Amino acid sequence: DAGVIQSPRHEVTEMGQEVTLRCKPISGHNSLFWYRQTMMRGLELLIYFNNNVPIDDSGMPEDRFSAKMPNASFSTLKIQPSEPRDSAVYFCASSLSHRVGLFFGEGSRLTVL
Amino acid sequence: DQQVKQNSPSLSVQEGRISILNCDYTNSMFDYFLWYKKYPAEGPTFLISISSIKDKNEDGRFTVFLNKSAKHLSLHIVPSQPGDSAVYFCAASSNTGNQFYFGTGTSLTVIP
Repeated sequence: DAGVIQSPRHEVTEMGQEVTLRCKPISGHNSLFWYRQTMMRGLELLIYFNNNVPIDDSGMPEDRFSAKMPNASFSTLKIQPSEPRDSAVYFCASSLSHRVGLFFGEGSRLTVL
Repeated sequence: DQQVKQNSPSLSVQEGRISILNCDYTNSMFDYFLWYKKYPAEGPTFLISISSIKDKNEDGRFTVFLNKSAKHLSLHIVPSQPGDSAVYFCAASSNTGNQFYFGTGTSLTVIP
């Protein structure tokens, strides 16, 4: 079975540009999560969806960040405009229930120059 | 505010010895705890979990202990192997929601 698939794996862009990260969750999983890994906060939850509906976006740092899940098999995280402090590894994860745990993608490493 | 805390950013252990990684949490509603292992350039992968109705769960070389009164859990790896060198994240969740709260991670180095 395919795991969580993220793209791109690496993205280098210039400040002010729009960045779109993509995620395909594991088929059948009903929850999808976007995390950002930083040294200070570890794995920081940005937003999560349950049955394609955003449940909690309180972790989204500011209005420059937005996320969508148009269907059960696809989600995007968009940063517009991007800033150097957005440079991090962004992980997508999916889950069937909280007792099953999370399955992570390999991450998208974003560098904003 | 960080609901799950890992206060040791790094740990070095000799091969064959025991590695003990610690984790503290603040929310008494958490009822399920997980440990994830992360290698560089890869996503975190599930390692072991424990329900709040237990105080110990063992899987091969890995054992997780839960002390609910202290709101503390620990991961024991024995014997430690060089391949165990990775970042370990502690996570917690509750049945009142489907969120998973992660600590900041502990980087384990097992010295051959």
